[in-house]
Amino acid sequence: EAGVAQSPRYKIIEKRQSVAFWCNPISGHATLYWYQQILGQGPKLLIQFQNNGVVDDSQLPKDRFSAERLKGVDSTLKIQPAKLEDSAVYLCASSVGQLDGYTFGSGTRLTVV
Amino acid sequence: RKEVEQDPGPFNVPEGATVAFNCTYSNSASQSFFWYRQDCRKEPKLLMSVYSSGNEDGRFTAQLNRASQYISLLIRDSKLSDSATYLCVVNPGTGRRALTFGSGTRLQVQP
Repeated sequence: EAGVAQSPRYKIIEKRQSVAFWCNPISGHATLYWYQQILGQGPKLLIQFQNNGVVDDSQLPKDRFSAERLKGVDSTLKIQPAKLEDSAVYLCASSVGQLDGYTFGSGTRLTVV
Repeated sequence: RKEVEQDPGPFNVPEGATVAFNCTYSNSASQSFFWYRQDCRKEPKLLMSVYSSGNEDGRFTAQLNRASQYISLLIRDSKLSDSATYLCVVNPGTGRRALTFGSGTRLQVQP
């Protein structure tokens, strides 16, 4: 089966610019997650979708981050405006259910300069 | 207290050695547990689930101790290819929360 697709793989932007990441989960996976992984740390959940509804966005910095999954399939994560501390790998993952292990995409490595 | 705590390492071991990693979690209501492996500059990949009865997959054995809120991973006969970061992962089980990841334990297997 095809894996979780993410794009772009790399992005370099200046602070205060905006950026968007895209994710297409494994077909049939109802649950989609965006995680942020800062160098040397484990992934931290930003937002969880079940189909096209938000299940948990408690750790999403909503003043600058937004995400959507309008049709319950692919998803976009946006940062506007970006800060230096947003430099990280943004990982998208999907799962069949909420108690199952996840499959991650290759991630988008963001560098904010 | 962090939800999931791991020794960051690095653990430097020779090929063929047996190495064990431990992890503690804070939420006693946690329902499911996993070990993920993450290679340098790659995404995390599911290594194995951890069950109350223990779980063995080849050279890898995972154990869960709910009373002590403790998870372990044992790797026997280490290979160079086992060098990676091992992430302890917990589903908190409260409400509909997503998996919580530890910061990882780095393993370096040396020839």
